[in-house]
Amino acid sequence: AQSVSQHNHHVILSEAASLELGCNYSYGGTVNLFWYVQYPGQHLQLLLKYFSGDPLVKGIKGFEAEFIKSKFSFNLRKPSVQWSDTAEYFCAVKGGANNLFFGTGTRLTVIP
Amino acid sequence: DTAVSQTPKYLVTQMGNDKSIKCEQNLGHDTMYWYKQDSKKFLKIMFSYNNKELIINETVPNRFSPKSPDKAHLNLHINSLELGDSAVYFCASSPTGGSAGELFFGEGSRLTVL
Repeated sequence: AQSVSQHNHHVILSEAASLELGCNYSYGGTVNLFWYVQYPGQHLQLLLKYFSGDPLVKGIKGFEAEFIKSKFSFNLRKPSVQWSDTAEYFCAVKGGANNLFFGTGTRLTVIP
Repeated sequence: DTAVSQTPKYLVTQMGNDKSIKCEQNLGHDTMYWYKQDSKKFLKIMFSYNNKELIINETVPNRFSPKSPDKAHLNLHINSLELGDSAVYFCASSPTGGSAGELFFGEGSRLTVL
């Protein structure tokens, strides 16, 4: 069985602060990893994804994530957040033929 | 053009009623899904449907029944609505093959059961 853990439930940052959101998964085989963002009142949108290759992946809006296989982690980072980054962030994992499983989400609030 | 569209966006109804939510995708994807997002923003898969094969999540009550007239449509019908069914329901689609797992979401349908 696969599962996804996002330990930060709510993160509050000031503009220009650096961001790192944690994501850990459990699955023994090959995984595809994703970060989705849900802006207030909107649907989920893909931020970035990892299938294979370079474990440091870059997504839209200056976000990046690093896959560390030994730690079963796929943390999301951004060097300098903006007020417009206020949203809910979801890590998701797809292992093998399984469906995509989402973490419980991390709410990010950026204070101007 | 909206890639994944759902109707209605908002639905308010009484307990015990039956309602449907429609979903259409114009991306040519083979797989479609229904997800339920509760008040705590937790996303839980309900169903996935791939080329006429329905994969049912066992935790979903049988009051929920998906129907797919063709691979571009996946509708969700809910019988005998209960208070706990209040949530936002997201339809999604994904391609098979190399990008499998990447989902394209609709804008959601907020269901409120009174």
